[in-house]
Amino acid sequence: ETGVTQSPTHLIKTRGQQVTLRCSSQSGHNTVSWYQQALGQGPQFIFQYYREEENGRGNFPPRFSGLQFPNYSSELNVNALELDDSALYLCASSLVFRTGGSETQYFGPGTRLLVL
Amino acid sequence: TQLLEQSPQFLSIQEGENLTVYCNSSSVFSSLQWYRQEPGEGPVLLVTVVTGGEVKKLKRLTFQFGDARKDSSLHITAAQPGDTGLYLCAGYSTGGFKTIFGAGTRLFVKA
Repeated sequence: ETGVTQSPTHLIKTRGQQVTLRCSSQSGHNTVSWYQQALGQGPQFIFQYYREEENGRGNFPPRFSGLQFPNYSSELNVNALELDDSALYLCASSLVFRTGGSETQYFGPGTRLLVL
Repeated sequence: TQLLEQSPQFLSIQEGENLTVYCNSSSVFSSLQWYRQEPGEGPVLLVTVVTGGEVKKLKRLTFQFGDARKDSSLHITAAQPGDTGLYLCAGYSTGGFKTIFGAGTRLFVKA
């Protein structure tokens, strides 16, 4: 067990709705990364939050947004849901140093989102 | 754009057989990780390789990082049904502050 938790575990939404997914990082970690994993694929990087600011973004549209809180927990928000947003959403926490180095990232179990 | 290609995509073998899966890229990574993922769970880190040419062993698993830090391999000796899962390689670039994943190799070991 990694100490990274995510909620909810499963979620069903309809097209056009909005969803918020939550992640609690491992104690001592200051960075949270979010990934989308479609069925049969590897995780795709959405964005990373470091010290409450977005610190890098993958090829995802602006309707994917996030927040990181002072306790380093994080939220992923997706607006105007589309059918293709159906996937496993993973968060991973790590400790990133100011020098750019990073310790290992640990993944949560994911939230499985189904958009109908 | 940095990409990691994994091969084979799918592998089904008998218990006791050996296997090797590959992870290749045209880009250089500061480190490369191998993960195993079970259905319905997040990836679990197996190993991180950092130095070109590095070889690490984890029981029956042997990981190698290419000399140029662009590719890696995972060799499993005497596979067991418990090795079944999705094996993912992931490259980390310090400058980009993000991890790039391959699509994975799905391994099924039959008893």
